[in-house]
Amino acid sequence: NAGVTQTPKFQVLKTGQSMTLQCAQDMNHNSMYWYRQDPGMGLRLIYYSASEGTTDKGEVPNGYNVSRLNKREFSLRLESAAPSQTSVYFCASRVDRGLGYGYTFGSGTRLTVV
Amino acid sequence: AQSVTQLGSHVSVSEGALVLLRCNYSSSVPPYLFWYVQYPNQGLQLLLKYTSAATLVKGINGFEAEFKKSETSFHLTKPSAHMSDAAEYFCAVSDRGQNFVFGPGTRLSVLP
Repeated sequence: NAGVTQTPKFQVLKTGQSMTLQCAQDMNHNSMYWYRQDPGMGLRLIYYSASEGTTDKGEVPNGYNVSRLNKREFSLRLESAAPSQTSVYFCASRVDRGLGYGYTFGSGTRLTVV
Repeated sequence: AQSVTQLGSHVSVSEGALVLLRCNYSSSVPPYLFWYVQYPNQGLQLLLKYTSAATLVKGINGFEAEFKKSETSFHLTKPSAHMSDAAEYFCAVSDRGQNFVFGPGTRLSVLP
């Protein structure tokens, strides 16, 4: 099925470890996004990429880096994980900004930092 | 700047009863508005969206929402709740650009 694929689905890290969350979409969408979801706070935008070759900070970028590897793939890296980064991470994509297009979301990565 | 308020972090209804989930927004430009549903351990799925056409928008699974500019609201309704509707619901607003803001979510419980 077409959609957004995230890997891994679950991960436990020790404080200070690094890891990369992978995201790929096969819908030929231009824009891709990384959100984190925490209880009672909805979704908060970490980084986004409006098109291949561009990335921009969202609301909560500190402690994260991203790479738009090509049109399909958008990865999120935690260089030195902290307990405050324990969260559920969602990747999303959409055709383009504006014009009322909604997001297509991946199924999420549950990250625990101990 | 945009913002979204969802009144009630948790709403409980009986099976067969009316579902009403409230969403109010603020936006400096005519907004696009969305409702998403999240089932346990899954990502968010688009239920419906308002993009300045008809103010009453019908979505999947029998849900609908009405855009009321005077009240800056976009409440989600369903005439008769089903057990399978139990999930978390998020309202979101877009300024037609890159900015897309989600509300904090409302968890819907459906009681037998």
